[in-house]
Amino acid sequence: DTEVTQTPKHLVMGMTNKKSLKCEQHMGHRAMYWYKQKAKKPPELMFVYSYEKLSINESVPSRFSPECPNSSLLNLHLHALQPEDSALYLCASSQDGRTAQDEQYFGPGTRLTVT
Amino acid sequence: AQKVTQAQTEISVVEKEDVTLDCVYETRDTTYYLFWYKQPPSGELVFLIRRNSFDEQNEISGRYSWNFQKSTSSFNFTITASQVVDSAVYFCALSMVKTSYDKVIFGPGTSLSVIP
Repeated sequence: DTEVTQTPKHLVMGMTNKKSLKCEQHMGHRAMYWYKQKAKKPPELMFVYSYEKLSINESVPSRFSPECPNSSLLNLHLHALQPEDSALYLCASSQDGRTAQDEQYFGPGTRLTVT
Repeated sequence: AQKVTQAQTEISVVEKEDVTLDCVYETRDTTYYLFWYKQPPSGELVFLIRRNSFDEQNEISGRYSWNFQKSTSSFNFTITASQVVDSAVYFCALSMVKTSYDKVIFGPGTSLSVIP
């Protein structure tokens, strides 16, 4: 099973709302990632969890708050977002939790629209 | 500094034509990994291949083949007899092997359209 699942697929939220994106993998991978992708651009790394600990935060605004409840789950909590935060949010996982040498397996993404 | 360049922003080919997607990378490290990912219109990135810096052997997988040349810092991807299902954005990516975690560097992507 090489599947990463993400919910919801689409999300529309107002700037005062609080919502969460969820990601799950059952491949026993030890690294999990959140990426943000704007149209016609490559994925832009936001956070990396390695062995359930936050190892990289790419200077992401505090209105995005990641959480890794266990080795299979990754959440992204959203609060007071701006319209420019509208994008495709991709979750990924990889086997090695220590380095970036392994291939990443991506979920289908959540397409977020902030109104 | 590490960098990945994909000079072709968009390519259009007619079905059954062969097409090569170029990837040029920059790194000072001697140990690194290169990847290709495919992103179809559905949005999910799909892993295609990983190659380490010590393995310059070319690889073929069905209609896909990859040419890794350290002398020119290139890792090009060729699709033979292209099909409509190959229409997607293709990303080349680079990662280094370090003692602490570091991120993958993605190229800007090449959008491939295969016309029936």
